[in-house]
Amino acid sequence: DVKVTQSSRYLVKRTGEKVFLECVQDMDHENMFWYRQDPGLGLRLIYFSYDVKMKEKGDIPEGYSVSREKKERFSLILESASTNQTSMYLCASSLSVRGYTFGSGTRLTVV
Amino acid sequence: AQKVTQAQTEISVVEKEDVTLDCVYETRDTTYYLFWYKQPPSGELVFLIRRNSFDEQNEISGRYSWNFQKSTSSFNFTITASQVVDSAVYFCALTPLSSGSARQLTFGSGTQLTVLP
Repeated sequence: DVKVTQSSRYLVKRTGEKVFLECVQDMDHENMFWYRQDPGLGLRLIYFSYDVKMKEKGDIPEGYSVSREKKERFSLILESASTNQTSMYLCASSLSVRGYTFGSGTRLTVV
Repeated sequence: AQKVTQAQTEISVVEKEDVTLDCVYETRDTTYYLFWYKQPPSGELVFLIRRNSFDEQNEISGRYSWNFQKSTSSFNFTITASQVVDSAVYFCALTPLSSGSARQLTFGSGTQLTVLP
């Protein structure tokens, strides 16, 4: 069964901390995505990657960066966490536009 | 740019009632995929259906059915004889096939469905 694993289910960090959210997929998918989910706003794309070391900005990249050193792993980095980055973060992967697989999400609280 | 609108923020029904979740989309692309996902309290998005823009046939899968109408840019989802386990947030999403950003999904804001026993 296809799997996308996010390393943490819940995370609490302090303002100003550097935060790493990790996502690993076991399907050899080319494409990986980071979304942020907020009530009333649905899921908004932060960054995506279509190949190792390749990345593209999504709709809301400000305050975030990403890293994809290996095909199976896509990391989201908050350089200096702020309270307005408190949210649910969802990782996804896909081989083509026909199918996307999502992780269970990381609920991040910045205090 | 794409836009997906789910005007119903929350819907509450009693078990065994039928319920329809609305989805309206905007895109300049002539070819695209539409999706519905379910997000139960566990948080993971569960794939329900994919429909491409060439195929306007309605689809039924058990208690679920989908009505795709290209003329009104709508892709509505109906649950027949709802059950408590159907309680979840439901998202409609779109991805175009003809643009450079064809790989990303644009989501609606979601509809929280609560089915009461």
